[in-house]
Amino acid sequence: KAGVTQTPRYLIKTRGQQVTLSCSPISGHRSVSWYQQTPGQGLQFLFEYFSETQRNKGNFPGRFSGRQFSNSRSEMNVSTLELGDSALYLCASSSRPGMRQPQHFGDGTRLSIL
Amino acid sequence: GQQLNQSPQSMFIQEGEDVSMNCTSSSIFNTWLWYKQDPGEGPVLLIALYKAGELTSNGRLTAQFGITRKDSFLNISASIPSDVGIYFCAGPPDTGNQFYFGTGTSLTVIP
Repeated sequence: KAGVTQTPRYLIKTRGQQVTLSCSPISGHRSVSWYQQTPGQGLQFLFEYFSETQRNKGNFPGRFSGRQFSNSRSEMNVSTLELGDSALYLCASSSRPGMRQPQHFGDGTRLSIL
Repeated sequence: GQQLNQSPQSMFIQEGEDVSMNCTSSSIFNTWLWYKQDPGEGPVLLIALYKAGELTSNGRLTAQFGITRKDSFLNISASIPSDVGIYFCAGPPDTGNQFYFGTGTSLTVIP
């Protein structure tokens, strides 16, 4: 079974730009969650999508948004990038929705803001 | 917001030794998940716990859901070099729709 695939693996942007990250879940998984990982703040939950609907949301500003398509693939968008947005962005999928479900992670997209 | 504190923050042990680490929260959790993350990779699920007092094993790994529901423990027996990595506890509090990761325990195994 193919794992969670995130693209691109690395990305360099400048302040003020916007970026879109992509996540393809494990085949058959319909729930996708996004996380931000930084040395200072650790792993923080961004949001969860299931059946194209956002179910849960973490404490991030509105510049962070996401969506899920009918094939369960998900994208995350960050607008007006700030230096502090430099991080590893991880996507995880699970077969069912909800915060109690074990999640399977991709290897992340490393975003660097110059 | 919720903070999951893991201790110790880092460990340096000899190959073959047993390892114990724990995770504590200020809120009651209804699920505890333990993950391991290697450099350059995403976290990998090790063990999932769903009931207070539950004890679950996965090979040399054993984890327990604390009776107070505010803590969890992970033990690794007879450590080997490939156990090196960062171990995270994670889960949702009993109330709310958030998901939290612990601060992590970095494990180094000396051959």
